[in-house]
This record gives sequence, structure tokens and C-alpha cells, in this order.
Amino acid sequence: AQSVTQLGSHVSVSEGALVLLRCNYSSSVPPYLFWYVQYPNQGLQLLLKYTSAATLVKGINGFEAEFKKSETSFHLTKPSAHMSDAAEYFCAVSEREYGNKLVFGAGTILRVKS
Amino acid sequence: DGGITQSPKYLFRKEGQNVTLSCEQNLNHDAMYWYRQDPGQGLRLIYYSQIVNDFQKGDIAEGYSVSREKKESFPLTVTSAQKNPTAFYLCASSSLYEQYFGPGTRLTVT
Repeated sequence: AQSVTQLGSHVSVSEGALVLLRCNYSSSVPPYLFWYVQYPNQGLQLLLKYTSAATLVKGINGFEAEFKKSETSFHLTKPSAHMSDAAEYFCAVSEREYGNKLVFGAGTILRVKS
Repeated sequence: DGGITQSPKYLFRKEGQNVTLSCEQNLNHDAMYWYRQDPGQGLRLIYYSQIVNDFQKGDIAEGYSVSREKKESFPLTVTSAQKNPTAFYLCASSSLYEQYFGPGTRLTVT
């Protein structure tokens, strides 16, 4: 079965600093990978996705992620944090052989300090 | 505007009562999903449906039931058999790879 591990349940950065949220996955087949963002009491919004095209994926709000097969990682980065980036971020892997079900990590809460 | 609607936003029930959460989509997606979210546990799949009149159990289906009579609708019933029903419930739909989420329903059972 596929699984996702997000290192760090809470990450704190200063405004303008680099954001790095870590995600490692396990999968027996080439995965599809996703990052979602959730603001308090709202649904999840897709930030970006990897579906076996370019390994460096750019998403919305200045975020990007790099698929590294050798490290089974899909870390999310943003060069300069903004106060509006404070939210919870979820990494997910698709179980394509089971109707595109998603398996989610436990989430990382990003705090941005002024 | 295309999207997924969930109603109501907040729902309060007494223990022992069944309650149904609504999920409607106008994205023309075949697949729909129900997740439960608890703090620090990510999202856990309750049920999913890939086509009308068919659905499968997810990882935590006990105490829940669903129906899929129309492509647009996938209601979730939280039964009195669910031991700890207080949670945030999210509905999603998908066509190809990514899932699109509704705004969620926060259910509180006392």
C-alpha cells in the first residue's frame, strides 16, 4: 500500500524566508503526487501536482515542488514566505490502480512570523 | 460557477441520532469521495464512488453509509453506530488525477 510521511507537524518561518515542507512517499508503482493547502475551517485547495511529466512542478502562489525518485521525496518550497501562506499543507499520493484514491500525509501547519 | 457544495457548514446533533451530510457537484465528475478530518491525523477515506449506483468502503467506513443515485450527489449518513462522530467532514470529486474539495461540514455530536 502507498503511504505518505510529512516531516514536521509544525513549521515556523519568518516573513520573507524560505519555506520548505518535507514529504516522503512509498509506492510500488510510479506515483502521482499532490500538495494541497487548507485554511482554517475550509476545504482543501490544490497547490500543485506531479503526474510523471517534468520533475520540477510549479504551482499557485509561488510554490513549487521537485519529484526525486531516488529519494522518494516531493518537498514543497517557496523562496519567500508571506503572511498569507500561514495554513496547513497536505502531501498526497494517488493509488492509481484503485480508482485514483488519494492517501494523505498527516499535514504540516505553517506559521509565518512577522 | 462549477464546484462542490456541502451543506450545512455546521451541524449539531444529539448522541444516538442519525444525521445526513449533503454533497453536490456540478463538475460532471464521475468519482466522488468522503473524508473525515481530525486534528493531527490528516484525511481518512470513509467511502468513495467511481460511478452512479456503485460505491466502495474506504479505510474507516464503520458507522457510516452512503448512496449514489445521481452523478451530482453523494450524501453521507453518520449513523448512531459511529462511536466518535464529532469531526470535520470533507467531500471531493475527481475526473482524472486530482481531487477537488468542497468547503466541509463540521459535525458536533453531544
